[in-house]
Amino acid sequence: NAGVMQNPRHLVRRRGQEARLRCSPMKGHSHVYWYRQLPEEGLKFMVYLQKENIIDESGMPKERFSAEFPKEGPSILRIQQVVRGDSAAYFCASSQVEQETQYFGPGTRLLVL
Amino acid sequence: DQQVKQNSPSLSVQEGRISILNCDYTNSMFDYFLWYKKYPAEGPTFLISISSIKDKNEDGRFTVFLNKSAKHLSLHIVPSQPGDSAVYFCAATSGTYKYIFGTGTRLKVLA
Repeated sequence: NAGVMQNPRHLVRRRGQEARLRCSPMKGHSHVYWYRQLPEEGLKFMVYLQKENIIDESGMPKERFSAEFPKEGPSILRIQQVVRGDSAAYFCASSQVEQETQYFGPGTRLLVL
Repeated sequence: DQQVKQNSPSLSVQEGRISILNCDYTNSMFDYFLWYKKYPAEGPTFLISISSIKDKNEDGRFTVFLNKSAKHLSLHIVPSQPGDSAVYFCAATSGTYKYIFGTGTRLKVLA
């Protein structure tokens, strides 16, 4: 049973470019969560999605960031016009039902030059 | 405002001895707590959890203790093994999907 998959594992972008991070949840999981970890900090909640629905995006910056979880395919976290402060590790987690334990993917490490 | 605090950034323990990792929280609404282990360049791996209706939960070498009056939880690993060397995060939630994480404690188990 494959775990949560994320790609790419590492992403380098120049300021002003776009970053697309992908997450495939565990088989049978339909709830996806994105977290961000800045250096020397804990993980911080960004957004919670179910298939075709954004349930809670309260942790996501209002500008430049968006997320989706289409009916088919992985969940995508999109960052437009990246800035150096976006450099971080972005983790995706999934669960079978909302209240259940979240299982994390390996993360995407974004570096903005 | 850091609602979940892990005040020890690092801890070193001899192999075979007990490792005790601590976590304090400020929000009395938190009712479910989790510990995750994280190796470098990997994602957090779920270890063990505890509901606020319990004060102890055990799984093999790992035991989590919860002291609600002190708003404190701890993870005990016994006996510690070199493979336990990792960063340990505690997380808390108030019955929702939004986990609040501490900043982590780096455990080093010395052979």
